[in-house]
Amino acid sequence: DQQVKQNSPSLSVQEGRISILNCDYTNSMFDYFLWYKKYPAEGPTFLISISSIKDKNEDGRFTVFLNKSAKHLSLHIVPSQPGDSAVYFCAANPGSSNTGKLIFGQGTTLQVKP
Amino acid sequence: NAGVMQNPRHLVRRRGQEARLRCSPMKGHSHVYWYRQLPEEGLKFMVYLQKENIIDESGMPKERFSAEFPKEGPSILRIQQVVRGDSAAYFCASSPMDQNEQYFGPGTRLTVT
Repeated sequence: DQQVKQNSPSLSVQEGRISILNCDYTNSMFDYFLWYKKYPAEGPTFLISISSIKDKNEDGRFTVFLNKSAKHLSLHIVPSQPGDSAVYFCAANPGSSNTGKLIFGQGTTLQVKP
Repeated sequence: NAGVMQNPRHLVRRRGQEARLRCSPMKGHSHVYWYRQLPEEGLKFMVYLQKENIIDESGMPKERFSAEFPKEGPSILRIQQVVRGDSAAYFCASSPMDQNEQYFGPGTRLTVT
C-alpha cells in the first residue's frame, strides 16, 4: 500500500511560470513532510520541509503548503527555471515512535522549458 | 564540510556473490539510514542505525541483507548471494540527532549479472 502518493508522474512548465507539485498521504499520524529534488545518477537533495503544526513554509522560490484535513501537500516553485528540471519526491516522517525513516512518494518529473 | 560519501559508486556482481556498500555520514551526524530505489520507483526505507546499534530494520529483507554502523569507520550494507532482483540504486542518508531532515549520498548502483 502506497502511503505517500504523487499522482502526476510528470509536469511540464514554461520558464518563469509557477510549478505546482502535489502529494497525498493516507496516514493522519504523519507529522513531518519533506521535499527532495533528484537529478539522474545523483542522490536526492533536500529542498524544504514542513511540520504538521504549520500550513505553510517558504524558502526563497520554494513554498510548501500543507492541508491536514485533505491529507495533501504541495510544492510551489516560482519563478521556475530550467535548472529546476529534475525528479521531485515528497516524503513523510511517520512520527509517533519516530524511528526516523522516511516514506517516499513515487516522484514527479518536472521539465521547465526555456 | 563534506557531504555523505558512498563507495563504490558502481558495483557489478555475478549472481551468488557478495556485495558490500559503504557509507560515511556527514561530520557531526550520528544517524545513518539506507534506502533502495528500484527502477521507475521511489526510494524505499531499509534500515536506520546509530553507532553500534540497529534502531529500525523493518525495511530490510529477512534473508541475505545485513547492515552495521561500527564505532569506528563507515556504515556497511552487506548483501550475500546476490540475485538479479537486487539490482538497484542504494542510497545512504545521515542526520544529526533530533532532526528530521536527512541528507543523502550519491548512491551506489548495484548491477547483478
